Amino acid sequence: GAGVSQSPRYKVAKRGQDVALRCDPISGHVSLFWYQQALGQGPEFLTYFQNEAQLDKSGLPSDRFFAERPEGSVSTLKIQRTQQEDSAVYLCASSRLRASNTEAFFGQGTRLTVV
Amino acid sequence: AQSVTQLGSHVSVSEGALVLLRCNYSSSVPPYLFWYVQYPNQGLQLLLKYTSAATLVKGINGFEAEFKKSETSFHLTKPSAHMSDAAEYFCAAGEAAGNKLTFGGGTRVLVKP
Repeated sequence: GAGVSQSPRYKVAKRGQDVALRCDPISGHVSLFWYQQALGQGPEFLTYFQNEAQLDKSGLPSDRFFAERPEGSVSTLKIQRTQQEDSAVYLCASSRLRASNTEAFFGQGTRLTVV
Repeated sequence: AQSVTQLGSHVSVSEGALVLLRCNYSSSVPPYLFWYVQYPNQGLQLLLKYTSAATLVKGINGFEAEFKKSETSFHLTKPSAHMSDAAEYFCAAGEAAGNKLTFGGGTRVLVKP
């Protein structure tokens, strides 16, 4: 595709509900990242995939957060038993190569509001 | 762990005036450095990046940034602000051995006519 696509753009969840956020990276991009951006703050790293392998999940805040990229393309970030502190914009980014100096292209994000 | 500090969460400039956004990083090893811009309800767009090839980096939309190792800084400038520059700007650092970016808290730029 032309860019990184995320869906849904907006999600309202009741506390305790499970949610799934989807990311379609740019075709052929090896690396995929998830970031969490709380209101008024910079994005914070959640997890990183190289193709289908999840090489770094050190940023996931709890075991309620789970991410997968089974075929090395589309990725899903799942949050179980959502809490109010999970309210944030979740950004997905992809890059063509593995190197950390490669430009990462960001999607528009999914704004999650937990009520 | 790497940290990135942006001085000033809000900056107000007049149209045509200099834009200066400050960024300092913490690593003793110069990381890869990036400036991103975020317009409302949009994703982050890369303005420019430093990867050790040159200390003065030119980016899109007339922005440039200078890497100063002695000051551990990577400040972003634009000589003449335009109304379309109103947005939030993020400085980020990437470690050579890693893949994730560490972002600063962001600076929101307001451009006054």
